[in-house]
Amino acid sequence: DVKVTQSSRYLVKRTGEKVFLECVQDMDHENMFWYRQDPGLGLRLIYFSYDVKMKEKGDIPEGYSVSREKKERFSLILESASTNQTSMYLCASSTPGSYSGNTIYFGEGSWLTVV
Amino acid sequence: DAKTTQPTSMDCAEGRAANLPCNHSTISGNEYVYWYRQIHSQGPQYIIHGLKNNETNEMASLIITEDRKSSTLILPHATLRDTAVYYCIVRVENNAGNMLTFGGGTRLMVKP
Repeated sequence: DVKVTQSSRYLVKRTGEKVFLECVQDMDHENMFWYRQDPGLGLRLIYFSYDVKMKEKGDIPEGYSVSREKKERFSLILESASTNQTSMYLCASSTPGSYSGNTIYFGEGSWLTVV
Repeated sequence: DAKTTQPTSMDCAEGRAANLPCNHSTISGNEYVYWYRQIHSQGPQYIIHGLKNNETNEMASLIITEDRKSSTLILPHATLRDTAVYYCIVRVENNAGNMLTFGGGTRLMVKP
């Protein structure tokens, strides 16, 4: 059974704190993604990575950074959390490949509240 | 990116078939149609995907029109647990890999 695990389900952090959201997948997938989901806005891509130490900006990278030191792990970092980063964060992974129709698998989500 | 259009919400009686439509009139020839669903407070769950032919798995059936401009996800016997937001997505690809762009989805309410 495919598995994408996010380290924290619920977090409450203070404004200005550094926040780490960790994600691990056990499917040996090359691609990993971080999304955030907000009411009325659907899922928005923050960053993705297609290989170890590689990263690409998504649609809303401002205020975030990522780290991919190992293939199975993709971390999202909020250097200085702000209240507008209160959201649900979703990690996902997939295999690469053109036109193969491969799927993306999601973790359970991390609810972050910044106060 | 090919965009999709779905109804905002739908109701379905428990035990009946739920038919969820999706329009994707600008889809290009190498793009797949994917369906995901998201139950409240959980991550999205893959349901099914297809390119041209109709597809069926243990969860659902996917009917794609011949011109590929629209599709229908069918849950043959909806249960209360199928209450969720259903996303129809056309797969986007870039040089590095593949991404999915999610829209608003259809909120399916299965009622007893």
